[in-house]
Amino acid sequence: NAGVTQTPKFQVLKTGQSMTLQCAQDMNHEYMSWYRQDPGMGLRLIHYSVGAGITDQGEVPNGYNVSRSTTEDFPLRLLSAAPSQTSVYFCASSYSISGNYEQYFGPGTRLTVT
Amino acid sequence: RKEVEQDPGPFNVPEGATVAFNCTYSNSASQSFFWYRQDCRKEPKLLMSVYSSGNEDGRFTAQLNRASQYISLLIRDSKLSDSATYLCVVNKAAGNKLTFGGGTRVLVKP
Repeated sequence: NAGVTQTPKFQVLKTGQSMTLQCAQDMNHEYMSWYRQDPGMGLRLIHYSVGAGITDQGEVPNGYNVSRSTTEDFPLRLLSAAPSQTSVYFCASSYSISGNYEQYFGPGTRLTVT
Repeated sequence: RKEVEQDPGPFNVPEGATVAFNCTYSNSASQSFFWYRQDCRKEPKLLMSVYSSGNEDGRFTAQLNRASQYISLLIRDSKLSDSATYLCVVNKAAGNKLTFGGGTRVLVKP
C-alpha cells in the first residue's frame, strides 16, 4: 500500500513551458485534491475531484488544468508556466467528500519556474 | 483578514516544557477542525481532529472555542521530536474544501 504518490519530486521549467504533475493513490479514495504551498501562505487549494469524471476549481485555479479519468489518478497540468507558479505542490486524497476525514498527502513536487 | 490565522512563531520550547498556541478562524459556519503536523520539507500529516468538547491524544490536547472562533493545541512534556510546523485546518462548509493556516513553527531544544 503506497498511499499517495507524486512524480516528479523536483522540476525546473522555463517560462512558457508546459508539464504535468502526476498523482496516484491506491486507497480507493473518492476525493482527491491539489494544493500549492508558498512560504507564509499555508496550503491553497488549486483543484479538486469528488470522483472519476468530476472536477472543480479551488481557490487558485488559474493556469492549471486537471482531469480525473480513473479513481486512482489525478494529474495536474501547467499550461504555460510562469515564475509565480514556483511553489511546492501537494496532492491529497480522502475517504470521503464530507470534509470530516483525514487527508492523506503525497510527498510533494518542488517546482521552480525560471 | 485571512480565513485561518496562526502565529508563525517560532516557539522555542525547552525539552520537557509545555507549549500552547492558538489558531483563529473567521467563518462562524466552520464545521470541522484539525491540527496537522508538517516536518521540514515533508508533507502534512494529520495530528488530531478537534472536537467540540475538546480532546486529548497522549501529550497533545486540542480545544475548540466556537464563541471566540479559535482552536488551540497544547503539547505537554515536549520532546525534541515535536519540533515541526503545526498547521491549523478548518472545513468551513459541507464538502471537502479545507482552509489551511500558515502554520506555527515549534522548536524544542535540549
